[in-house]
Amino acid sequence: AQTVTQSQPEMSVQEAETVTLSCTYDTSESDYYLFWYKQPPSRQMILVIRQEAYKQQNATENRFSVNFQKAAKSFSLKISDSQLGDAAMYFCAYRRLTFIFGQGTELSVKP
Amino acid sequence: DVKVTQSSRYLVKRTGEKVFLECVQDMDHENMFWYRQDPGLGLRLIYFSYDVKMKEKGDIPEGYSVSREKKERFSLILESASTNQTSMYLCASNHGVAKNIQYFGAGTRLSVL
Repeated sequence: AQTVTQSQPEMSVQEAETVTLSCTYDTSESDYYLFWYKQPPSRQMILVIRQEAYKQQNATENRFSVNFQKAAKSFSLKISDSQLGDAAMYFCAYRRLTFIFGQGTELSVKP
Repeated sequence: DVKVTQSSRYLVKRTGEKVFLECVQDMDHENMFWYRQDPGLGLRLIYFSYDVKMKEKGDIPEGYSVSREKKERFSLILESASTNQTSMYLCASNHGVAKNIQYFGAGTRLSVL
């Protein structure tokens, strides 16, 4: 069965600094998709970034980028130039047929 | 913009009550999902549906049932609420293929006393 693990329950970053959130997953499939979702205090889950497993190039969305290591089954999220609005719970997710979510990482941003 | 609407933000029920959580999406998505979110456990899939009148069990279906009579509406039912069902419930929807993102509702925080 597929699993997704986020080993950092909480992280903290200084405003304008860079932070990396870790995610590992376990699967025997070769074709799948990986996602990072953000859940701010408003509770509305928002997609941050998506990666297709067959693509070697790491996905990038403005200040957000991923380091996708398929052989290592690792999918970390890097947030550059952190802003106060980045403070949220971040979930890593794997999808082949249904979504499987990690436990979440609570990110706080210090001014 | 895609909109997924959950009928209640907060709900307080008593043990043994029958509870309905409603979810409506306005983008003609085939797939709809119900998750519960608990601290340290992330989101766990309760049930999902790929089409009207179709339902599939997720990882933790015990104590829950669902109904999908219309494409836009997916209801989660707690037949006899128990205190261990106190949680945040999130509804989501998307189009069929795996690469498509899920769109989430704002969540319902259910307390069972």
